[in-house]
Amino acid sequence: NAGVTQTPKFQVLKTGQSMTLQCAQDMNHEYMSWYRQDPGMGLRLIHYSVGAGITDQGEVPNGYNVSRSTTEDFPLRLLSAAPSQTSVYFCASSTPSGSRDEQFFGPGTRLTVL
Amino acid sequence: RKEVEQDPGPFNVPEGATVAFNCTYSNSASQSFFWYRQDCRKEPKLLMSVYSSGNEDGRFTAQLNRASQYISLLIRDSKLSDSATYLCVVNLGFGNEKLTFGTGTRLTIIP
Repeated sequence: NAGVTQTPKFQVLKTGQSMTLQCAQDMNHEYMSWYRQDPGMGLRLIHYSVGAGITDQGEVPNGYNVSRSTTEDFPLRLLSAAPSQTSVYFCASSTPSGSRDEQFFGPGTRLTVL
Repeated sequence: RKEVEQDPGPFNVPEGATVAFNCTYSNSASQSFFWYRQDCRKEPKLLMSVYSSGNEDGRFTAQLNRASQYISLLIRDSKLSDSATYLCVVNLGFGNEKLTFGTGTRLTIIP
């Protein structure tokens, strides 16, 4: 199993550009989520999905869209990039069977917005 | 007040020493607790869950004190490979969307 994969690993955008961060998992996990990690702050939840066709907002959803058309894929779209979105983005997946489920993280995408 | 607070460190500890971290959480209704490990420029990975009775995994011991709302991690006989950032994670409910991450404690083991 590849686990959770993310592309690209690095990306530089100009303010106002849009792009999609890709996330895929091959563990048949129903739960997937996107986090951002900034210096001096813990990981913060952007959006999450409890299954195909179902998505919801996390703590910091503004400026981001998601969709979940398949169990495997959960892309994150930046609509109009801003310097405040410079961050490391992690996708994670898990089974939604309870509160003790391990989160499996992808390797991250390092995004810089100029 | 942050929901999950950790001393950011860094902790610089000689190889073979014992080191302990604490983490405090603000919501008394929190349901479950974890320690994740994050290597430099890598993704977080689960180190261990934390149970009310305390639990041990090799050189690692985790304790939970619900009355005082803190979680601890003890590393014995530290190895160079233990150098990493340790994230305290608290789940406020029964859904993964309620996970709250601390900012992490950075540990460096010195030869």
